[in-house]
Amino acid sequence: GAVVSQHPSWVICKSGTSVKIECRSLDFQATTMFWYRQFPKQSLMLMATSNEGSKATYEQGVEKDKFLINHASLTLSTLTVTSAHPEDSSFYICSARDMKASGPGKWGGTQYFGPGTRLTVL
Amino acid sequence: GIQVEQSPPDLILQEGANSTLRCNFSDSVNNLQWFHQNPWGQLINLFYIPSGTKQNGRLSATTVATERYSLLYISSSQTTDSGVYFCAVGGYGGATNKLIFGTGTLLAVQP
Repeated sequence: GAVVSQHPSWVICKSGTSVKIECRSLDFQATTMFWYRQFPKQSLMLMATSNEGSKATYEQGVEKDKFLINHASLTLSTLTVTSAHPEDSSFYICSARDMKASGPGKWGGTQYFGPGTRLTVL
Repeated sequence: GIQVEQSPPDLILQEGANSTLRCNFSDSVNNLQWFHQNPWGQLINLFYIPSGTKQNGRLSATTVATERYSLLYISSSQTTDSGVYFCAVGGYGGATNKLIFGTGTLLAVQP
């Protein structure tokens, strides 16, 4: 249980195009999802908090018009990188917060992470 | 904002050795998790441990919230333990949802 998927797992695009990344919680509902980016050999940096049915909350320094987030249902959040440029190339990871504590191995409030999406902008 | 520092930054072990990884944080938290990031980038939950001690097989973790640190113990290390270990904290300053990641420890276990 507590599985989060991301699609696509990798994408290569030309500079100036937009790329959409999907994050799904497969076996639980998530009113809150999170988007992180990770540069090589660095830690994860939180970009934004995605709230179902409302606007996302962006961390300081993250351009909300550049990184569009939509959380249309309790199991799906999308991140769109608009007009991507080479400096946007990175590893993007989403997570979802499982608010229910049930069954062995599940912890209430724990965040579970997707496998990540590697974006390369040429 | 909160600072989360991990030590050591890099660690090389021989298979079968034990190790202790440390996570220091600069503010009170009510959420702390340990993760292992494998070579493909997947983050694997190890422990949810805002306080106290937990054990899972060869791994155990202890968080002393009042002193703002957490320790991850790896015993009888195996080559499959290689990767980056992160601690992440949340629940500080009223921001109950967000997780802030530490600097990470890169572990290499040699056969």
